[in-house]
Amino acid sequence: DTGVSQNPRHKITKRGQNVTFRCDPISEHNRLYWYRQTLGQGPEFLTYFQNEAQLEKSRLLSDRFSAERPKGSFSTLEIQRTEQGDSAMYLCASSPGKGRDRGIAKNIQYFGAGTRLSVL
Amino acid sequence: ILNVEQSPQSLHVQEGDSTNFTCSFPSSNFYALHWYRWETAKSPEALFVMTLNGDEKKKGRISATLNTKEGYSYLYIKGSQPEDSATYLCASVSGSARQLTFGSGTQLTVLP
Repeated sequence: DTGVSQNPRHKITKRGQNVTFRCDPISEHNRLYWYRQTLGQGPEFLTYFQNEAQLEKSRLLSDRFSAERPKGSFSTLEIQRTEQGDSAMYLCASSPGKGRDRGIAKNIQYFGAGTRLSVL
Repeated sequence: ILNVEQSPQSLHVQEGDSTNFTCSFPSSNFYALHWYRWETAKSPEALFVMTLNGDEKKKGRISATLNTKEGYSYLYIKGSQPEDSATYLCASVSGSARQLTFGSGTQLTVLP
């Protein structure tokens, strides 16, 4: 499967614990995005990487959240001291950004199936 | 319009019926509009990317139109089938990161 892969698919944790999610984008995609989706809402943008550089962060991304993409390939999203309000689906997406794809095709975002976090 | 809004929130139709949903988005600084289909336990799947006013896109029984001047897009499904049951999301592209600003989605259920 050459799509975007996210692990784990589900995570149940107790309040106050730290959790880390992983996203493996489509190979050679330069851009990587993290979104969060809560019940009844559409996904909300959290942060964006161009290769290994984190170029944009939403105000939704509090100090307890940190994301990395150390080698410009996979990315991790860590939540420290989880709170019940962190319960959500965390989605990762990648897009070509440049290269063989031109025009609007380079901006199409391909999503993983998400990690569903439940904080008890 | 400051946010991306979709209506209706949910919809039940009979197999074979045609249906349509609405997406409203900020018309200022428009860059592109995306439509996604999201089936339960699967990844959101891109249906269309639309950029030009008056754009019409078609993929099988599904089509979409775009009006960038007034800030709306319609998604049409002709002859709905049970496998069309999903949440349909539209998203406006903005910012230097080209991040997506999503609506809340329209949850479609097609009854056999």
